[in-house]
Amino acid sequence: QLQLQESGPGLVKPSETLSLTCTVSGGSISSSSYYWGWIRQPPGKGLEWIGSIYYSGSTYYNPSLKSRVTISVDTSKNQFSLKLSSVTAADTAVYYCARQVVVPAATDYWGQGTLVTVSS
Amino acid sequence: QSVLTQPPSASGTPGQRVTISCSGSSSNIGSNYVYWYQQLPGTAPKLLIYRNNQRPSGVPDRFSGSKSGTSASLAISGLRSEDEADYYCAAWDDSLSAFFGTGTKVTVL
Repeated sequence: QLQLQESGPGLVKPSETLSLTCTVSGGSISSSSYYWGWIRQPPGKGLEWIGSIYYSGSTYYNPSLKSRVTISVDTSKNQFSLKLSSVTAADTAVYYCARQVVVPAATDYWGQGTLVTVSS
Repeated sequence: QSVLTQPPSASGTPGQRVTISCSGSSSNIGSNYVYWYQQLPGTAPKLLIYRNNQRPSGVPDRFSGSKSGTSASLAISGLRSEDEADYYCAAWDDSLSAFFGTGTKVTVL
């Protein structure tokens, strides 16, 4: 059974960079046909796709976040990561890592989510 | 910011049929598959419908999806108390972006 687990700081200061890692177990991150993505949900609000990386390394980002987002993969550790720079309070959210099939809109496995608060 | 519009709420009594709409455009729903997710309180979303109308293994056949033009719908028949949750549609867009719908909270009266 595939499992995804987010890890990283739960508190980030404004203007700094938010960094999260997703560890994948029960399957290889190098498997073809899968995207590995990040999705967030501000408290009490809806879901927002942040971006995804294909197993080959191609990346796709939400246009509204593209200038601040970097997603990368470390196949040796079966992990992928999110970096979001110049954060503000509006970036406070539960961040989910996920596996997506065929297209980044099709998420079949989700991590449990991790709350990241942006505050000084 | 979402380009997929859903009604904020829907409700029904146990046993009733509830339908949730998802309105998009020709560049997303009109030319790509629609996916539906169920999010129970305090949990990660769960894939409910893929490729417009397909159910993953384990999803009851009370849940069904459909698509017509630039809109899609999720129907829940035989509504049960455990169906009380938030529901989101999602679609890939030809601009190479993924979008989630605005979300619909289903209440079982």
